[in-house]
Amino acid sequence: NAGVTQTPKFQVLKTGQSMTLQCAQDMNHNSMYWYRQDPGMGLRLIYYSASEGTTDKGEVPNGYNVSRLNKREFSLRLESAAPSQTSVYFCASRDRGLNTEAFFGQGTRLTVV
Amino acid sequence: AQSVTQLGSHVSVSEGALVLLRCNYSSSVPPYLFWYVQYPNQGLQLLLKYTTGATLVKGINGFEAEFKKSETSFHLTKPSAHMSDAAEYFCAVSVDTGGFKTIFGAGTRLFVKA
Repeated sequence: NAGVTQTPKFQVLKTGQSMTLQCAQDMNHNSMYWYRQDPGMGLRLIYYSASEGTTDKGEVPNGYNVSRLNKREFSLRLESAAPSQTSVYFCASRDRGLNTEAFFGQGTRLTVV
Repeated sequence: AQSVTQLGSHVSVSEGALVLLRCNYSSSVPPYLFWYVQYPNQGLQLLLKYTTGATLVKGINGFEAEFKKSETSFHLTKPSAHMSDAAEYFCAVSVDTGGFKTIFGAGTRLFVKA
């Protein structure tokens, strides 16, 4: 049981380049999330998908787009990378209900130069 | 809006000493509260959670947390620190704003001295 799988684990981009971060979960969860983690700021929600076919903005959506491809997969795209997007990105999934916990991938360390 | 505040970005304890990591929440409704742990270069994993019922919640690796409504707190404790406890700890609250989301505190990094 793999849980939440993110690819790639590391990436270096030049300013202005684009890339897509991939995420897949095998727990049949309805909800999926993309967070970014920066020192001293905890995890901030970029976008989330409450169920297949829906996506919504989180706290810091500017510069990102997402696609909920199916129930398993939720991708995050940077159309034109900026140095401010240098961060560690985490994908997570959870089941319905306020009492359910989130399950996280291992993270993608992205550097934009 | 619901939120959590973690007091202290860094906490240092000696091996064998008590671990106390502080978390206060802000919520107009009964909160669903969580503690997650992040080891270096890994994702977050659940330590424990409070939903309803018993206010003292036990988690993995000997950690526990007590929900105190009067103090709006959910502090994490462990009686005796081990070197392997060195990690970053996040307090979080679960919210429903048209979709279930988890709101995280800024995190507390725990250092354990030999």
